[in-house]
Order: sequence, then structure tokens, then C-alpha cells
Amino acid sequence: DTEVTQTPKHLVMGMTNKKSLKCEQHMGHRAMYWYKQKAKKPPELMFVYSYEKLSINESVPSRFSPECPNSSLLNLHLHALQPEDSALYLCASSQDDWALNTEAFFGQGTRLTVV
Amino acid sequence: EDQVTQSPEALRLQEGESSSLNCSYTVSGLRGLFWYRQDPGKGPEFLFTLYSAGEEKEKERLKATLTKKESFLHITAPKPEDSATYLCAVHPVGGKSTFGDGTTLTVKP
Repeated sequence: DTEVTQTPKHLVMGMTNKKSLKCEQHMGHRAMYWYKQKAKKPPELMFVYSYEKLSINESVPSRFSPECPNSSLLNLHLHALQPEDSALYLCASSQDDWALNTEAFFGQGTRLTVV
Repeated sequence: EDQVTQSPEALRLQEGESSSLNCSYTVSGLRGLFWYRQDPGKGPEFLFTLYSAGEEKEKERLKATLTKKESFLHITAPKPEDSATYLCAVHPVGGKSTFGDGTTLTVKP
């Protein structure tokens, strides 16, 4: 299994809603990532979990809250988002700690629209 | 400051017309350089990792090369299905990977 699975594929939410994005991998990877990607731009790193602990938070607003329940799962909890948060949210995983130069495997993303 | 610059921003080719994409980088030390392919609305798909100058890797019609300042992704006899955005990411020593802005390749039949 070489897949990173993200659910849902599409999400429309109001600015007062609370929702969660989910990501799962069964490759035994120890690092997992959340990226945000706006149209015609490269992915921007948001969070990195390494061995289930938060290693990097790229100064992301607190309305985004990551969670890593176990080594295979990664969640992103969303609350009180703004329309400018609409984007493609990508989850990725890599074999080793983020600091090592190993390639990342990406999920297909969740297309989030905030209305 | 680490920098990654990809050129051209967009490239339109006829089917069979070979060309190259460029990824120039400035880092104090390079751990690795990655190439990804991304189709619209999808996540990036890993293509290659290059670690040191002089290294080359091939996959079907794609060949990636690396020097101390840049990497090239050569596309030989492209087909319409090679149309995508190609992203380069540089992983510096002691830092996090940074993506370039990408090159959007369109191959016309």
C-alpha cells in the first residue's frame, strides 16, 4: 500500500462551522505533514509531525489545529475559518524524520471552500 | 536565504518536441533536490530525488540532472499525457524543503 488517503475530497463550510480533515497512511512512515496550496502556487508547509509529535508549526493561525492520534493518522481540525482559507489542503508522509532527505508521498487533497 | 527558482513558468510543446525545465537553487548546503509532477486538483506525485552534483536519474521520457547550482528535468519526445505542473523542491542542510513555483507544461498532439 503506497497511498496516502485523505477525506473528504471536497468540503464546503461556513465561517462558524467546525469540521475536520482526515489523512491516513499505512506505509509505516514516521513523518506526516499538512500543506496548504492556493491556485497556481506551490504547496506551503503548515505542520510537521515526526514520530507522532508536532515538530514544526509554520506560524499557522490557531483556527487550524492539527492532531496525530497514532502513527498512521493525521487530522486537521478547522474552526472559525475565513474565506481566504479556501484552498487545497494536502497531507503527505515520508519514511523518516522530516529533517532527513526522503521523498514525500502526497494524498489527493481536500478542496476546502469557506463561505 | 535559501531560494528556489523554476523556469520557464509555462512551456508549450508539440508532441515529440523535446525540451528541458530548469530549477535553480541557492542554499548553504544541499541535502536533496526533489522533482514532483502535479496534475490539476491532485496532490504532487514524486518523480526523483537527486543528492549530489553530477547525479542523473531517468524514468520513461524524463531525465533529471543536478549541478551545484541547478537541476534540469529533460523531457524526451513528450506526449500529451505528460502535460502537468512540474515542481522542484530543495531540502537544505538544517532546514525544511522549499518548493519552487513550478513549471506548467502543456503538450499539444
